[in-house]
Amino acid sequence: GAGVSQSPSNKVTEKGKDVELRCDPISGHTALYWYRQSLGQGLEFLIYFQGNSAPDKSGLPSDRFSAERTGGSVSTLTIQRTQQEDSAVYLCASSFRTGGQETQYFGPGTRLLVL
Amino acid sequence: GESVGLHLPTLSVQEGDNSIINCAYSNSASDYFIWYKQESGKGPQFIIDIRSNMDKRQGQRVTVLLNKTMKHLSLQNAATQPGDSAVYFCAENMGFNKFYFGSGTKLNVKP
Repeated sequence: GAGVSQSPSNKVTEKGKDVELRCDPISGHTALYWYRQSLGQGLEFLIYFQGNSAPDKSGLPSDRFSAERTGGSVSTLTIQRTQQEDSAVYLCASSFRTGGQETQYFGPGTRLLVL
Repeated sequence: GESVGLHLPTLSVQEGDNSIINCAYSNSASDYFIWYKQESGKGPQFIIDIRSNMDKRQGQRVTVLLNKTMKHLSLQNAATQPGDSAVYFCAENMGFNKFYFGSGTKLNVKP
């Protein structure tokens, strides 16, 4: 595709339900990142993948959050037993290779609202 | 702890004027810095980056300055246009592919 895509674009759920967010990175990009952005705030790093492996999971806020990536492409971020404080925009980004000095291309984000 | 922060949360300028957005960082080990622009309802968009072995880098109408002594980063927009109105974030890479973002500065370019 032309860019990073994310789905759904908006998600409203009830407290306690599980949600799954999807990210389709740019084809050929080996590195993939998940961030969380609360209203009026900067981006909070959650996790990054190099290929299918996630060397650094330290940004995940709690054990209710998990992420996986299969086939070196699509990634899903799962939030179990959602809480109201999970409401935020979840952004995905990909880059051609890791190393920390490559341009990250961001998707439009998934806006999650937990009632 | 280490942090990236911005001095001015909101900046208003007149169209055609130059703008400067500032960012302070506290981790002297950071070796790579990026400026992003985020328009309403969209994901951040890369503007320009700079490595710690440089003190200035120019792009199209934008210049990033890095002062390692002061641990200060700035983004200069020349001849601002209404389309430059957005929230601007600085980010630092502390290694291991972990990026820390500031809370952002909103730039409002008045026509």
